[in-house]
Amino acid sequence: GAVVSQHPSRVICKSGTSVKIECRSLDFQATTMFWYRQFPKQSLMLMATSNEGSKATYEQGVEKDKFLINHASLTLSTLTVTSAHPEDSSFYICSARDGTAQETQYFGPGTRLLVL
Amino acid sequence: QQQVKQSPQSLIVQKGGISIINCAYENTAFDYFPWYQQFPGKGPALLIAIRPDVSEKKEGRFTISFNKSAKQFSLHIMDSQPGDSATYFCAASMGSSASKIIFGSGTRLSIRP
Repeated sequence: GAVVSQHPSRVICKSGTSVKIECRSLDFQATTMFWYRQFPKQSLMLMATSNEGSKATYEQGVEKDKFLINHASLTLSTLTVTSAHPEDSSFYICSARDGTAQETQYFGPGTRLLVL
Repeated sequence: QQQVKQSPQSLIVQKGGISIINCAYENTAFDYFPWYQQFPGKGPALLIAIRPDVSEKKEGRFTISFNKSAKQFSLHIMDSQPGDSATYFCAASMGSSASKIIFGSGTRLSIRP
């Protein structure tokens, strides 16, 4: 099946620093990628939708200047958490939509962010 | 507004039993209903999905039952095994290549040996 990878899998950073998370589709072209945030024992909350070559669409309540998303190629999207604070600590998960498989989204393994 | 409501929040089932998780949706524009399985520290994985033009879909031990008039759907896991212990999410989306998935709140399933 289709594979989506994320890097890094875990990251610890100091408050005020920026962290970049990569999401790659390994064996298919992803015209659309999604970024989710999941707090412990909670559901996945969509943060933004990223289309290759265009600006991301953010969900209500998500700060676009704080969570920078870049989708420069059909296989790579990046999420940068700028000036991270402890409340940004969470599990960040990306998904990629295979353009040939309609609604099927393949999820990455997630990135655990801990901001000290 | 919670568009996809899921219950129960947690569920304990004996090995070999049937696990049943229920979901209800509000938006009649939804036309794709996937179920995801998530293990701790991992991303969710698609388990099975259904469209509203069928009332049931079965894949191995997993079955989705769909009631369009009631706007409800459920996941049945037959012969539940300890390896099925995970968190299950129902979800819904509107059928287009750019549509987003709305997740239910999740059910933590534990299968007792």
